[in-house]
Amino acid sequence: SQQGEEDPQALSIQEGENATMNCSYKTSINNLQWYRQNSGRGLVHLILIRSNEREKHSGRLRVTLDTSKKSSSLLITASRAADTASYFCATDSPFEAGSYQLTFGKGTKLSVIP
Amino acid sequence: KAGVTQTPRYLIKTRGQQVTLSCSPISGHRSVSWYQQTPGQGLQFLFEYFSETQRNKGNFPGRFSGRQFSNSRSEMNVSTLELGDSALYLCASSPFGGSILPDTEAFFGQGTRLTVV
Repeated sequence: SQQGEEDPQALSIQEGENATMNCSYKTSINNLQWYRQNSGRGLVHLILIRSNEREKHSGRLRVTLDTSKKSSSLLITASRAADTASYFCATDSPFEAGSYQLTFGKGTKLSVIP
Repeated sequence: KAGVTQTPRYLIKTRGQQVTLSCSPISGHRSVSWYQQTPGQGLQFLFEYFSETQRNKGNFPGRFSGRQFSNSRSEMNVSTLELGDSALYLCASSPFGGSILPDTEAFFGQGTRLTVV
């Protein structure tokens, strides 16, 4: 089942603009992560935010987390054509036997037009 | 450090056949997870192995199985293939997994694209 739901499903912007993607989830989490996937290839880890953190930055990326609303947002500033990809949020929930399982949303497809 | 390696990259199989996919994690990583990605269902967790033990399994039929070897390399097997098994299968490794180090990113391979005809 999908834990996270990204919004919007698709986003098209001009190069240089900012892109904002949102993610909502359902259960308690250890952390929330954002991944990027280029055209049916593997996922690349972008950033991890812990459940006790509210905001985190990495280069042009800014992630916020609101555990009371069970939501997160990813902001990409000054977008580039190379940012064109699908973006997924993933939550790492506590599990029996200490297992490690990421639960992904369905992703936001970002198109950055040169 | 070499990344996560999945082989083969592409595979075409016929309904009813079985298939084995391989994943070599990053050196030193002990947790290997498998995910299935389809346009309709998105990314779905299959199972996770840690030190040769399956710790958790997703909601998939018993036709999907896996194992992990002492060197942490993992294989997954799908028997009696169905058309709906066509998907991108992704393997991810992490150093320890959530039980020891909860704030751990997963490193993904490029995936194996399986087409069942």
